[in-house]
Amino acid sequence: DVKVTQSSRYLVKRTGEKVFLECVQDMDHENMFWYRQDPGLGLRLIYFSYDVKMKEKGDIPEGYSVSREKKERFSLILESASTNQTSMYLCASITQSPGQGVWYGYTFGSGTRLTVV
Amino acid sequence: GDSVTQMEGPVTLSEEACLTINCTYTATGYPSLFWYVQYPGEGLQLLLKATKADDKGSNKGFEATYRKETTSFHLEKGSVQVSDSAVYFCALSKYGNKLVFGAGTILRVKS
Repeated sequence: DVKVTQSSRYLVKRTGEKVFLECVQDMDHENMFWYRQDPGLGLRLIYFSYDVKMKEKGDIPEGYSVSREKKERFSLILESASTNQTSMYLCASITQSPGQGVWYGYTFGSGTRLTVV
Repeated sequence: GDSVTQMEGPVTLSEEACLTINCTYTATGYPSLFWYVQYPGEGLQLLLKATKADDKGSNKGFEATYRKETTSFHLEKGSVQVSDSAVYFCALSKYGNKLVFGAGTILRVKS
């Protein structure tokens, strides 16, 4: 089974700190995504990446940046954490079904619940 | 832009009751449609999917049919169990691009 591993399950950080959330997948997937999940809002896309050193903004990129130096690792960075970034953060990866041209098979990590105090 | 609207919860049912969670979408082109489930304390798991009109996705007794004419993908189960208690998300995607999620529906099943 494909695994997407997020390094921390729970984090508590102080306002103004620089925060790194790490995500690693073990199946050579090209595409990786960072979402945040908030009650009543569902999941909203922060950033995504189609390849190493490539990144694209999602729907809510403000206050975040990302890094993808290796194919298996996609990091989300909060440059200066704020209380409104308290949330559940979910990483996901996908790959194309070989020869079919059909994309499916998003795999999610277990999530990191970040609290900024 | 593309969007997904699903019924608000929480939905509270007794064990063995029938379940329907409504989901409608707005999208250009031909999206793939998904239902994801999130059990307490866990990440999202794919429950079922449909990639074209009239496809029916099914898994673990859950079903959903891709209805292009009504732009809907309602989730149904004939007899729910306590273990089905979770948050259910309807989502769409085009060409392997980002997933667009609904707000989620909490399901609580009482014994």
